[in-house]
Amino acid sequence: EVQLLESGGGLVQPGGSLRLSCAASGFTFSNYAMNWVRQAPGKGLEWVSTGSGTSTYYADSVKGRFTISRDNSENTLYLQMNSLRTEDTAVYYCAKSGYGSAWIFDYWGQGTLVTVSS
Amino acid sequence: EIVLTQSPGTLSLSPGERATLSCRAGQSVVSSYLAWYQQKPGQAPRLLIYDASSRATGIPDRFSGSGSGTDFTLTISRLEPEDFAVYYCQQYGSSPRTFGQGTKVEIK
Repeated sequence: EVQLLESGGGLVQPGGSLRLSCAASGFTFSNYAMNWVRQAPGKGLEWVSTGSGTSTYYADSVKGRFTISRDNSENTLYLQMNSLRTEDTAVYYCAKSGYGSAWIFDYWGQGTLVTVSS
Repeated sequence: EIVLTQSPGTLSLSPGERATLSCRAGQSVVSSYLAWYQQKPGQAPRLLIYDASSRATGIPDRFSGSGSGTDFTLTISRLEPEDFAVYYCQQYGSSPRTFGQGTKVEIK
C-alpha cells in the first residue's frame, strides 16, 4: 500500500525558512517523480514543484525561493522553503507521479500546514 | 499559462441523479492531457480520471471523463452519498501544470 507522510509544517514569520519532509513507502521510490502541491485555506490546488531523478521544476511563484530534493536511500522527499511570504500559507501535499507521467498525481499524503505570519 | 475554468461553481443534486461537470481551457490541452480529482473536506485529493477519459485504479465505473481540445466533462452517472465533494480538473500538457478552481457537488 502506497503511503506518503508529510511533516515539518508550522508557524513561521515572513522572511523565514522551513523544510518539509515526505516519507514514502509501499512503492519503489527511486522509480517515480515526486511532487509538492499546495492549497491555501479555502482555496483550490496549486502545483508547486516536481522532482524526478535528474530534473527539477518549479512554479514561477516559488522559483528561486523553494528547493525540492530527495533522498532515495531514505525514501524521502524534501521541500526547502526560504524567504517565506504570507501568500505561501497553505496545506502542502506530497504527491506521487504515476501512469507514466511526471504530471499525473496518483497518490497524495494528508498534508502539512504551513502558516506564514508575524 | 493555460487557465482552466470549471462550471458550475456549485451543483446541487440528489443521490441517484446524474452529475455533469465542465472544465474549459483557455487554449487547447495538448494530447488531452487532462485529469480529474475528487477532494472531500479535510482530506487529500484523489485521482479519478487521467488522459481525459481513463479511470484510475479502483475508481467506480459511474465516473467517466470525456472531451478534447478545450472542452472536457466529468460525468457521475448516479450519485452515491460518498460522491458529494469538490472536483478539480488539471491539465498537464503544458507548463506550468494548472488546476481549475473546482466544482462543489452538494446534496440538494
